[in-house]
Amino acid sequence: ETGVTQTPRHLVMGMTNKKSLKCEQHLGHNAMYWYKQSAKKPLELMFVYSLEERVENNSVPSRFSPECPNSSHLFLHLHTLQPEDSALYLCASSRRGDSNYGYTFGSGTRLTVV
Amino acid sequence: GENVEQHPSTLSVQEGDSAVIKCTYSDSASNYFPWYKQELGKRPQLIIDIRSNVGEKKDQRIAVTLNKTAKHFSLHITETQPEDSAVYFCAASKWGTGGFKTIFGAGTRLFVKA
Repeated sequence: ETGVTQTPRHLVMGMTNKKSLKCEQHLGHNAMYWYKQSAKKPLELMFVYSLEERVENNSVPSRFSPECPNSSHLFLHLHTLQPEDSALYLCASSRRGDSNYGYTFGSGTRLTVV
Repeated sequence: GENVEQHPSTLSVQEGDSAVIKCTYSDSASNYFPWYKQELGKRPQLIIDIRSNVGEKKDQRIAVTLNKTAKHFSLHITETQPEDSAVYFCAASKWGTGGFKTIFGAGTRLFVKA
């Protein structure tokens, strides 16, 4: 484990279901991110939270709803998804103001929408 | 819009040979360029990075070069080994409101043949 934990690792949901993805980090980082990784596509930034405030929403459909209750936890609430939303959802964190700007990624949640 | 182009999309080399992956970026304000390695079924992991005030950086068999004028940066892997087989992502980052704005390349799938 790198310090960023995502649950669940795998999720199969119907288009009418509501589910949530969870991300947790205990690295002392203060910025957290949701990325979508689809086959043969670049990593797509979905949301950025810095100091628990959403600072970027990259034109993501409203069926994806993020929540950041504190600097260690990040959620992605899902409802009425479409089959094309099936992908690997990666959470990442970084430390704002740190000289090392790199991300630490979680292992991801493999989401399948049926 | 801002983007990062990465080439080639697939690269196959013989064990012991060198591998070079190239990226170009469009946003001249980018000042941090990380490279991530993602093995099959695993999370992306930061392997090396370079800042805009540096032209080259080396870490054992891995080196990165940056040409700010041309907006090019490259990853060089020498004496490749089968365990280097993975997808490699380049990225270009800059400070945005509240955190990093990072654009990823589409990835290069590297195969190292024993």
